[in-house]
Amino acid sequence: DADVTQTPRNRITKTGKRIMLECSQTKGHDRMYWYRQDPGLGLRLIYYSFDVKDINKGEISDGYSVSRQAQAKFSLSLESAIPNQTALYFCATSPAGGDEQYFGPGTRLTVT
Amino acid sequence: GQQLNQSPQSMFIQEGEDVSMNCTSSSIFNTWLWYKQDPGEGPVLLIALYKAGELTSNGRLTAQFGITRKDSFLNISASIPSDVGIYFCAGQEWSNDYKLSFGAGTTVTVRA
Repeated sequence: DADVTQTPRNRITKTGKRIMLECSQTKGHDRMYWYRQDPGLGLRLIYYSFDVKDINKGEISDGYSVSRQAQAKFSLSLESAIPNQTALYFCATSPAGGDEQYFGPGTRLTVT
Repeated sequence: GQQLNQSPQSMFIQEGEDVSMNCTSSSIFNTWLWYKQDPGEGPVLLIALYKAGELTSNGRLTAQFGITRKDSFLNISASIPSDVGIYFCAGQEWSNDYKLSFGAGTTVTVRA
């Protein structure tokens, strides 16, 4: 079984709809991250959490919110989706004090 | 985090060839990581580097942490078709709260 799982893997939604992307991990890591990937731009950090009570904005947090429901679960919400939020979204985890991040398989989100 | 300069942006290589790609930054980094992303999947960690001058191998892959701590190199020896994918560098600055900065990626296509 995969250590970092994301659901759904693909989603098509309409402008203005609320969307939640979910991430679960069995690695026992304290730290979790949400990234967005656009062609030619690499990975950009949306939000990150170093433990259940800690939430921090990344470089592109506008239009997104997150919830850390448990050590193993970190969800990303788009309150009112817009077309320029069409992208690949990745969840990642890392151990406390460690730099290596481990990625989930990604969610392809299309906003029409 | 800052965007790293990764080059080349893309490359076509002949099966059996050795290839190189590199990443540079304007800041000093404590850690360099190299990831590979296959189509439809999340990035997978290939090599992690923690010390200036460090040279680390993983099979046919070799990566180096530059002496200036502002660059890193990845070499692939004897390319094979399964080397196709996007290779990302990532680095962690001392002052950046364990957040990673990513390069935009090098897309590798192998000519059989």
